[in-house]
Amino acid sequence: NAGVTQTPKFQVLKTGQSMTLQCAQDMNHEYMSWYRQDPGMGLRLIHYSVGAGITDQGEVPNGYNVSRSTTEDFPLRLLSAAPSQTSVYFCASSWGTGGNTDTQYFGAGTRLSVL
Amino acid sequence: AQSVSQHNHHVILSEAASLELGCNYSYGGTVNLFWYVQYPGQHLQLLLKYFSGDPLVKGIKGFEAEFIKSKFSFNLRKPSVQWSDTAEYFCAVKSFTGNQFYFGTGTSLTVIP
Repeated sequence: NAGVTQTPKFQVLKTGQSMTLQCAQDMNHEYMSWYRQDPGMGLRLIHYSVGAGITDQGEVPNGYNVSRSTTEDFPLRLLSAAPSQTSVYFCASSWGTGGNTDTQYFGAGTRLSVL
Repeated sequence: AQSVSQHNHHVILSEAASLELGCNYSYGGTVNLFWYVQYPGQHLQLLLKYFSGDPLVKGIKGFEAEFIKSKFSFNLRKPSVQWSDTAEYFCAVKSFTGNQFYFGTGTSLTVIP
């Protein structure tokens, strides 16, 4: 199993550009999520999905869109990049969110710089 | 919204020293609690978790954590650290019925050989 795969690993954007961060998992997990990691802020939840066709906002959703058309994929779209979106982005997945099913498996991260 | 506080931002220890990293959370209901670790250049991975039962939880690599409900705490401990424990450690909480995970700001641990 590849686990959780994120692409690209690095990206530089200009202010106002749009892009999509890709996330795919091959573990048939229902729950997927996106986080951003900033110095001194820890990981903050951007969006999450409890299954195909279902998405919801986390703590810091502004400026980002997501969709979940398949169980495997959960892309994160930056609509109009801003310097405040410079961060490291992590995708994670888990079987579910209850009891003993909520252990999250993380991707390697995408380091994004917005100039 | 819930919040998670990790009081130690940077910890430097010599090998064989004991470790305790603090974690406090703000949610008053039933919670699931986690410690994740990020070794240099590696993915975040689960160290241990609590969701029910014995409040003393044992994880991988000799780590353990104790859930003290009255103190809203889930401190991580290891009796004798090794150089290979150098990493960043994150505490996280989720309400038992919720779908959102809340992470602390992380503690960077450096172990000197």
